[in-house]
Amino acid sequence: AQKITQTQPGMFVQEKEAVTLDCTYDTSDPSYGLFWYKQPSSGEMIFLIYQGSYDQQNATEGRYSLNFQKARKSANLVISASQLGDSAMYFCAMREGNSDNDMRFGAGTRLTVKP
Amino acid sequence: NAGVTQTPKFRILKIGQSMTLQCTQDMNHNYMYWYRQDPGMGLKLIYYSVGAGITDKGEVPNGYNVSRSTTEDFPLRLELAAPSQTSVYFCASSYQGEITEAFFGQGTRLTVV
Repeated sequence: AQKITQTQPGMFVQEKEAVTLDCTYDTSDPSYGLFWYKQPSSGEMIFLIYQGSYDQQNATEGRYSLNFQKARKSANLVISASQLGDSAMYFCAMREGNSDNDMRFGAGTRLTVKP
Repeated sequence: NAGVTQTPKFRILKIGQSMTLQCTQDMNHNYMYWYRQDPGMGLKLIYYSVGAGITDKGEVPNGYNVSRSTTEDFPLRLELAAPSQTSVYFCASSYQGEITEAFFGQGTRLTVV
């Protein structure tokens, strides 16, 4: 069964600095996708970025980038130029392509951006 | 385009009562999911469906039932509610055939007293 691990319960970052949120995963399926979601205090789940297992380049979306290290099975989210509005819970998730069709989430990291 | 719509947004149940959380999506997604999120925790998968007529258990299915009679609707049934089912419930859907992101509803906050 697939497994997602986020080892940082909480992180702090100074406004305008970059921060890396860690995510490791475990799967034997060669085809899979990795996702990051943001959950602000209002509770909704906001999709941020996606990385496919066969993608050759790291995914980027604006200030978000994904540091994908396939051999290490890690998919860390990098947020550049942090803003106060980035304060939220961040979840890493994975969906396998050839076996299970469900999407599993990590425990999350609470990011606080300090002014 | 409404996306994924969940009703109700809030509900208080007494122990032993039953209820159905409604979820509908208008994006013609074949995959649909139900998650629960306990306070300060991540999302746990309850049930999921890869198409009409097909449902599968996730990580925490006990105490819940689902059905998928149409592509659009994926209701979650709670029978004999227990305090341990107090949680926020999210419905989500995603596109078939490719690994793409899931779109989430706004959530249902359920309290069992």
